[in-house]
Amino acid sequence: QSVLTQPPSVSGAPGQRVSVSCTGSSSNIGADYDVHWYQQLPGTAPKLLIYRNNNRPSGVPDRFSGSKSGTSASLAIAGLQAEDEADYYCQSFDSSLSAVVFGGGTKLTVL
Amino acid sequence: EGQLVVSGGGLVKPGESLRLSCTASGFSFSDYRMNWVRQAPGKGLEWVSSINSGSGIIYYADSVKGRFTISRDNTKNSLYLQMNSLRVEDTAMYYCAKEGSHSNWFDPWGQGNLVTVSS
Repeated sequence: QSVLTQPPSVSGAPGQRVSVSCTGSSSNIGADYDVHWYQQLPGTAPKLLIYRNNNRPSGVPDRFSGSKSGTSASLAIAGLQAEDEADYYCQSFDSSLSAVVFGGGTKLTVL
Repeated sequence: EGQLVVSGGGLVKPGESLRLSCTASGFSFSDYRMNWVRQAPGKGLEWVSSINSGSGIIYYADSVKGRFTISRDNTKNSLYLQMNSLRVEDTAMYYCAKEGSHSNWFDPWGQGNLVTVSS
């Protein structure tokens, strides 16, 4: 059971927009700790996608965006492409655990 | 951005030890907190341990506390994870990752190295 809760899977057709939720609590996201997002393609290491809630590293397309409100955060992917098919993870810090915490991951399928 | 390369994984029996190394290049290694993250086969990411630039502030996940030791050698641009009393449930791909400034995002990540604990 992960401290941050993500849906196991989402799907969408090419060109559509999908979002992935990440729900935490008052000891992590709700305590104003930043949320970061990673993309993991099959057989590869995770790659930073969004940092500090809504910032994109250089090279990440602006189709990817992040937001945070209260005890939740969300990753949105617009204009879905076949190469977006991957696992997506949210990450934050939990003050009760004094530990970095990850969501359980969401598998995105492009139909 | 830099690059991280992980080495030292392999197959060991329960109760045995293993040491992972992570060699950094392309950034000022001594300026950054570093982390180990693992991923069991078919499962999600689990943070394992972190160490600050001067090795004075170290944290561990409860699942490895007392068995794993993180360390670094800034003169060699290297991060280490000494894993003792290994258990079957420690079987995972182990990644090292550089922590961002002012907030704990991880970038870049090493390529990962598989540790298998099996009798």
